[in-house]
Amino acid sequence: DVKVTQSSRYLVKRTGEKVFLECVQDMDHENMFWYRQDPGLGLRLIYFSYDVKMKEKGDIPEGYSVSREKKERFSLILESASTNQTSMYLCASSLDRGDSPLHFGNGTRLTVT
Amino acid sequence: AQSVAQPEDQVNVAEGNPLTVKCTYSVSGNPYLFWYVQYPNRGLQFLLKYITGDNLVKGSYGFEAEFNKSQTSFHLKKPSALVSDSALYFCAVGGNMLTFGGGTRLMVKP
Repeated sequence: DVKVTQSSRYLVKRTGEKVFLECVQDMDHENMFWYRQDPGLGLRLIYFSYDVKMKEKGDIPEGYSVSREKKERFSLILESASTNQTSMYLCASSLDRGDSPLHFGNGTRLTVT
Repeated sequence: AQSVAQPEDQVNVAEGNPLTVKCTYSVSGNPYLFWYVQYPNRGLQFLLKYITGDNLVKGSYGFEAEFNKSQTSFHLKKPSALVSDSALYFCAVGGNMLTFGGGTRLMVKP
């Protein structure tokens, strides 16, 4: 089975801090994604990547950046955390650009105080 | 732009009864449609997908979904609900850039 591992389950940061969320997948998947999940809003795509060193903006990229230096690792960066970035962050990967299902990590619940 | 609507925030059903979780979508062209389930404190798990072909799609854990092009719907169904089916269910549309609905919480009472 595909395993997508997110480095932290819970994270508490202060406003203005730089925050790194790490995600690693072990199945050589081409595509990786970062979503945030908020009650009633479902999942919203922040950034995604189809290959090493490439990235594309999703629906809500403002305030975030990403890094993909290795195929298996996709990092989400909050340059200056704000309270409205308090959320559940979900990383996912998939095999190719077609109809392959997403495989999700267990999520990181980030609280910014 | 593509969109998904899950009109019910919560669905309550008694164990053993059939269940339906509703989903409607809007997309240009032929849709790729998915259902995912999220158990407490976990990420989402893939249940089933519709790409093309038979309108009734069978998936994991006894779930199935019916694609209806004229009504732009993709409702999730199960003939007999289990308490362990209680979870948050998400419908999604698109290819690799999936758009998710807001989610429906399914509560199955013993």
